[in-house]
Amino acid sequence: AQSVSQHNHHVILSEAASLELGCNYSYGGTVNLFWYVQYPGQHLQLLLKYFSGDPLVKGIKGFEAEFIKSKFSFNLRKPSVQWSDTAEYFCAVTLPSGGYNKLIFGAGTRLAVHP
Amino acid sequence: GAVVSQHPSRVICKSGTSVKIECRSLDFQATTMFWYRQFPKQSLMLMATSNEGSKATYEQGVEKDKFLINHASLTLSTLTVTSAHPEDSSFYICSARETYGAYEQYFGPGTRLTVT
Repeated sequence: AQSVSQHNHHVILSEAASLELGCNYSYGGTVNLFWYVQYPGQHLQLLLKYFSGDPLVKGIKGFEAEFIKSKFSFNLRKPSVQWSDTAEYFCAVTLPSGGYNKLIFGAGTRLAVHP
Repeated sequence: GAVVSQHPSRVICKSGTSVKIECRSLDFQATTMFWYRQFPKQSLMLMATSNEGSKATYEQGVEKDKFLINHASLTLSTLTVTSAHPEDSSFYICSARETYGAYEQYFGPGTRLTVT
C-alpha cells in the first residue's frame, strides 16, 4: 500500500538553528507532494507543494523542499528557525485515485524551537 | 485565500446520540470534500471522500452506516456520526478541493467531538 514516512517524530532546536525534516513516500508513479503545518490550536496550512518542474520548491515563511525522485524523498528545510516555527509538520502525497486525488499523510513531526 | 469553515468547533454528546458536523467552503466551489479523523498526537487519517451530488467513497475500515456523509451543494458537506460511542471521540477535520483547482486542498479548523 502507498505510504508516507516521516523519520523524525519530535525535533527540538534552538532559534537560528537549521532545520531539515525527512519525508519519503512509497509510490512509483506520478505524485504531487505537499508539506503542511499545524500551529498549536490552528488548522492545517499549506507550506509548499510540488507538482512538476524545478525540484527545489520554495514556500512560505522561508521554508523550502527538494524533490529527489530517485530517493522518493521530499525533505523540508529552513536555514534558520524561529520560535514561531514551533508546530507540527506533515508531509503528504496526492495519488490519483478515481480522479479525486486523495491525500495520504505522514505521521507528522513535532518541532519545538527554544529561544 | 480559500477558506473552509466547520461547525461546531466543539461538541459533547451522550453515548447513543447522533451528531452532525458541517463543512463549508466559504469563497469557492468544491465538488470534492474530504473528511479526516485525527487522534491525539497522530496524523490525519482519511475517512471518506465526499462528492457533490453522489455517494461518498469510504476508506477501508470506515463504517459508512455509522459515518453518514452528505454533499448536497458545491459549498457544503456534512458528516453525521450516528449512535455515537466514546471510541468515536476524536478530532474531525474536513478539507475542500476547488472544482477548478490544481489538486490543492484547503482545510477546516476541525471539530472536537467528545462522547460521554
